[in-house]
Amino acid sequence: DAGITQSPRYKITETGRQVTLMCHQTWSHSYMFWYRQDLGHGLRLIYYSAAADITDKGEVPDGYVVSRSKTENFPLTLESATRSQTSVYFCASKWAGENTGELFFGEGSRLTVL
Amino acid sequence: AQTVTQSQPEMSVQEAETVTLSCTYDTSENNYYLFWYKQPPSRQMILVIRQEAYKQQNATENRFSVNFQKAAKSFSLKISDSQLGDTAMYFCAFMKPLGGTASKLTFGTGTRLQVTL
Repeated sequence: DAGITQSPRYKITETGRQVTLMCHQTWSHSYMFWYRQDLGHGLRLIYYSAAADITDKGEVPDGYVVSRSKTENFPLTLESATRSQTSVYFCASKWAGENTGELFFGEGSRLTVL
Repeated sequence: AQTVTQSQPEMSVQEAETVTLSCTYDTSENNYYLFWYKQPPSRQMILVIRQEAYKQQNATENRFSVNFQKAAKSFSLKISDSQLGDTAMYFCAFMKPLGGTASKLTFGTGTRLQVTL
């Protein structure tokens, strides 16, 4: 089925470990985004990508790394997880020429850092 | 940088009643888009309604409508005939026009709406 999928949906890790959250979309959308959702902060943009091999920082990029070697995949890596990175992470995508601005979101990945 | 403010962390409304959620934003842009997203307990983000700043007419989608006041930088969401399924977190969001690095949403902190019997 077409769509945007995230994995894993739930992850528990320890401080200092590396964690990668995967995001895959089947629409060939040019734009992809990673947001984190925290109580009292809403959704904050971590990184985004306008196309394969083009990425840029969002509002809260520190401690995160992204790559986009293929249009359909946009993994988010926490190189050394910290407790402050406990959050729900959302991946989203959008066409470049889409005038409505609608983002299509994945179902979210809940990450707990102990 | 754009900011989006939702001043009501929580609201409650009885079934079949009408409720209005507030949103204000700050921007120096003249052309932009505004959105309301709904996040039910399933966590899925669902687009409820959108408004283009150059359109004076307020957007409507069935029971959902907005009051867009461009000069006041206000974008409130009205839900009529509230239903239990409207229980969710609602996020207001802002986006500059498409192109280059501008195509990203800025979200408010959300309003948790509870619809009661």
